[in-house]
Amino acid sequence: EAGVTQFPSHSVIEKGQTVTLRCDPISGHDNLYWYRRVMGKEIKFLLHFVKESKQDESGMPNNRFLAERTGGTYSTLKVQPAELEDSGVYFCASSQDSRYEQYFGPGTRLTVT
Amino acid sequence: GQSLEQPSEVTAVEGAIVQINCTYQTSGFYGLSWYQQHDGGAPTFLSYNGLDGLEETGRFSSFLSRSDSYGYLLLQELQMKDSASYFCAVKLGAGSYQLTFGKGTKLSVIP
Repeated sequence: EAGVTQFPSHSVIEKGQTVTLRCDPISGHDNLYWYRRVMGKEIKFLLHFVKESKQDESGMPNNRFLAERTGGTYSTLKVQPAELEDSGVYFCASSQDSRYEQYFGPGTRLTVT
Repeated sequence: GQSLEQPSEVTAVEGAIVQINCTYQTSGFYGLSWYQQHDGGAPTFLSYNGLDGLEETGRFSSFLSRSDSYGYLLLQELQMKDSASYFCAVKLGAGSYQLTFGKGTKLSVIP
């Protein structure tokens, strides 16, 4: 079974630019999550999709972040315009149901200069 | 706010046993998970405790005491490949899917 994949693995952009991160969950997993780890800090929850619906977006930092999951398959997270404090590693995870186990992708390392 | 405390770094000798502690102060509590992450890799699920007591999975065990807001991960017969970061994470409620993570403990296994 293929794991959670994320693209790109690294992205370096300038402040004010736009970046779109992509996540492909494990096939059949209705639940998809985005998390972020800023350097030196803990991994923090951003939002949770159930199929194509946003179930919980309480962790989204501000309206510069837009997440979509059209068709309930892959998801994108767009940051527009990017700020310096958006730098960090963005993780995507998926799960089949409400169980405790979430399967994480390797993350996208975003650097905003 | 939510707070999970775990040691930032631990060093242990190959073949030994190491315990990584996690204390939490959260607005709710449903269960405690542990994840392992090798440098540059994906966090990988190790174990989950929803009830007090010890859960054993091979060389790894995890313990939870809800009354003490405390848990630990026990790694036995340490191998070099166990060198990684270990995160405890709280599931806040039955209806809450998000995980609240600690900052992680970097374990270094030395020969």
